[in-house]
Amino acid sequence: EDQVTQSPEALRLQEGESSSLNCSYTVSGLRGLFWYRQDPGKGPEFLFTLYSAGEEKEKERLKATLTKKESFLHITAPKPEDSATYLCAVQDDDSNYQLIWGAGTKLIIKP
Amino acid sequence: NAGVTQTPKFQVLKTGQSMTLQCAQDMNHNSMYWYRQDPGMGLRLIYYSASEGTTDKGEVPNGYNVSRLNKREFSLRLESAAPSKTSVYFCASRWDTIYFGEGSWLTVV
Repeated sequence: EDQVTQSPEALRLQEGESSSLNCSYTVSGLRGLFWYRQDPGKGPEFLFTLYSAGEEKEKERLKATLTKKESFLHITAPKPEDSATYLCAVQDDDSNYQLIWGAGTKLIIKP
Repeated sequence: NAGVTQTPKFQVLKTGQSMTLQCAQDMNHNSMYWYRQDPGMGLRLIYYSASEGTTDKGEVPNGYNVSRLNKREFSLRLESAAPSKTSVYFCASRWDTIYFGEGSWLTVV
């Protein structure tokens, strides 16, 4: 059964303190892994899509990496405005549309 | 650009009442989704529409119906609401990337 687990559930960092969020997944074949950011009271906002192990993508202070079993979202020198819940989802090769979503990691950056 | 627009933003229903959530997208996407989001759980798919005139059940379709009225619009009807339907509902559309609406907060009392 396809599964996505995100850890930690919550992470509190000081401004400038770099860290990583984890997304572990189980699928028969990976079509794509997606990272989203969600602010309170808003819909998820797309960040990255990764397709194959070894792939990396960057956007400002965020960098997403992918292995055959997990993905990391690295946050370098975060700022308070990076505070949000970060969601991970995977699409199995067998599905044309179904994504399996993790429960998210709530990131709080203190000034 | 409006993207994906959902209405209403907030709704309170009494147990047994019915209502329809409206969704429209202006990105000319074929695929549209309805999800619900509950605390501590990932987004769960209620219904999916691959194109105008087609709909498929997702993980949690019981108690819901959908209509893909045209390419732009995909509505979700909640029949005879129960407190278990209290949730945040998101409509989304997709070409390659999934784009979400702002959400509809539904409380059933």
